[in-house]
Amino acid sequence: KQEVTQIPAALSVPEGENLVLNCSFTDSAIYNLQWFRQDPGKGLTSLLLIQSSQREQTSGRLNASLDKSSGRSTLYIAASQPGDSATYLCAVLNDYKLSFGAGTTVTVRA
Amino acid sequence: GAVVSQHPSRVICKSGTSVKIECRSLDFQATTMFWYRQFPKQSLMLMATSNEGSKATYEQGVEKDKFLINHASLTLSTLTVTSAHPEDSSFYICSARRRNTEAFFGQGTRLTVV
Repeated sequence: KQEVTQIPAALSVPEGENLVLNCSFTDSAIYNLQWFRQDPGKGLTSLLLIQSSQREQTSGRLNASLDKSSGRSTLYIAASQPGDSATYLCAVLNDYKLSFGAGTTVTVRA
Repeated sequence: GAVVSQHPSRVICKSGTSVKIECRSLDFQATTMFWYRQFPKQSLMLMATSNEGSKATYEQGVEKDKFLINHASLTLSTLTVTSAHPEDSSFYICSARRRNTEAFFGQGTRLTVV
């Protein structure tokens, strides 16, 4: 059974600082890995999708890396802003199912 | 990106009644949709996989008679919580994706059973 772990569970940084969010998974036989953002009481917004054959994906201030062999992914958010405050979830797809981590709750202080 | 619409966003119902939640993929045909449940400060738990034109596949521990899933068309799946009780109060989220590609999620439904 796939286990997905996200560290840290919570993070508080001053505005402008770079954010580093970690995700690890136990079964490396994945199709892809996806990072999501969830605001309180809301659904999930897809941020980045990395296919199993890729090493990283970038979108604006966001960059996600994937090391499938070691079962790790890292989401980098450059120059954080208060609007980046949210919970960030990673999810891996294998056996046609998405398995989620518990998320990292980020607070960016103005 | 693709849009998945979920309705209602919030619902309060009395204990013993049933509640239906709709999930629509607005700009692509989804042969498979997924229903998740999320408890406060916890991750999403897959409840069932909804397949168009066939019976849903439920995860272990999920009562299929309590959580009825219907996938009547390629763009619509419904989850009905039957005879709801306070312990069914939770945040329910649906998802749709094309085969092994990016998953898109609805905005979720906050169910409160009083």
